[in-house]
Amino acid sequence: QSVLTQSPSMSGTPGQTVTISCSGRSSNIGQNYVYWYQQFPGTAPKVLIYRNNQRPSGVPDRFSGSKSGTSASLAISGLRSEDEADYYCAAWDDNSKWVFGGGTRLTVL
Amino acid sequence: QVQLQQWGAGLLKPSETLSLICSVYGGSFSGYYWSWIRQAPGKGLEWIGEKDNAGGSNYSPSLESRVTLSIDTSKNQISLTLASATAADTAVYFCVRGQGSGANAHPVPFDVWGLGTLVTVSS
Repeated sequence: QSVLTQSPSMSGTPGQTVTISCSGRSSNIGQNYVYWYQQFPGTAPKVLIYRNNQRPSGVPDRFSGSKSGTSASLAISGLRSEDEADYYCAAWDDNSKWVFGGGTRLTVL
Repeated sequence: QVQLQQWGAGLLKPSETLSLICSVYGGSFSGYYWSWIRQAPGKGLEWIGEKDNAGGSNYSPSLESRVTLSIDTSKNQISLTLASATAADTAVYFCVRGQGSGANAHPVPFDVWGLGTLVTVSS
């Protein structure tokens, strides 16, 4: 059971905007930054969003993050087939630990 | 460009100790927490713990009693030992650069990952 809650799966069609949600508590998302990672099968995750809504260089601006209270969201606009992957949210918890969501598998139909 | 090379035994019997080492190449070793994160087959990411070269460390409460993280600054290495392994510890283990430590306000935790090591615990 992951500390942060994500929907296990989502789907969308090319060009669509999809939003992946992540729910936590005041001790993690409520008080700290949220991070988002993308993972393709058989590979290590890659950071997509840091500090709630910042994109590392090289991440397309189709990816955006937001946070409100104890929830966060990752939006992917102009969905493309290559966006099909697993997406994880993460946050520092004030109990001195990092916590992750269970991951959302995004399918592009 | 920072690269993480990790290695260790890939097959253990129940009750044995899991041991992995990660070497950091091409970048600064100090000023960061170095984490281990694992992923059981078909499952999500689970943070194990982190350590920096200044003595700071944090562990997952669920694993803390069995986990030891060590740093060798002379070799830019971080090692993971997990005692009393069971089948539930079967996973791909990743060495990962974490948050900044000390005066380093590195804003992007988990931005550099090793390739991962599959560890299977089976009798």
